[in-house]
Amino acid sequence: EPEVTQTPSHQVTQMGQEVILRCVPISNHLYFYWYRQILGQKVEFLVSFYNNEISEKSEIFDDQFSVERPDGSNFTLKIRSTKLEDSAMYFCASREQGWDNNEQFFGPGTRLTVL
Amino acid sequence: SQKIEQNSEALNIQEGKTATLTCNYTNYSPAYLQWYRQDPGRGPVFLLLIRENEKEKRKERLKVTFDTTLKQSLFHITASQPADSATYLCALDDRRALTFGSGTRLQVQP
Repeated sequence: EPEVTQTPSHQVTQMGQEVILRCVPISNHLYFYWYRQILGQKVEFLVSFYNNEISEKSEIFDDQFSVERPDGSNFTLKIRSTKLEDSAMYFCASREQGWDNNEQFFGPGTRLTVL
Repeated sequence: SQKIEQNSEALNIQEGKTATLTCNYTNYSPAYLQWYRQDPGRGPVFLLLIRENEKEKRKERLKVTFDTTLKQSLFHITASQPADSATYLCALDDRRALTFGSGTRLQVQP
């Protein structure tokens, strides 16, 4: 069964460093998302991406964040200068095209630890 | 902005009983309401989706209801099993993004 994959599974970085989290969505999906979950808290929407541009973004997704689909398979989230409060699980998700196909398929997540 | 409340942080039931989880929201009714399962350290897994014009949806042992007047969804697992133990997340879907509740942790005792 096709699945969303994410790398790395765990990333440790120093405050102020740049990180890139990588995702490979399901191959025929056209909508891509990033969510984050701080330990013990709810899953929060960051950004959605369709047709090579951002569709929606939340207040969390400030200028420190960017997303890119550099080729036909990868979808990346970059955090330019990490802060301690960026420590969280980051989930990538994708869904099919279609107004009514709203099921989102989530990856296993990348645990980001900022020291 | 939407506030979503899911009942109690944890729900303990005996194997074979029906688990009922509640999701209440404020403000506008979403186009869809979705339920996901999340195991520790894993990503959410989609279970069921119900549209704003639907009252009830079933899938095997799962049943979801959606009452836009009460602004509430109920999620039922019948004949519960220890393998159903997980955190269950309610998510409001306005066709742009999912807004998740904080989840209810279900523990099914053998």
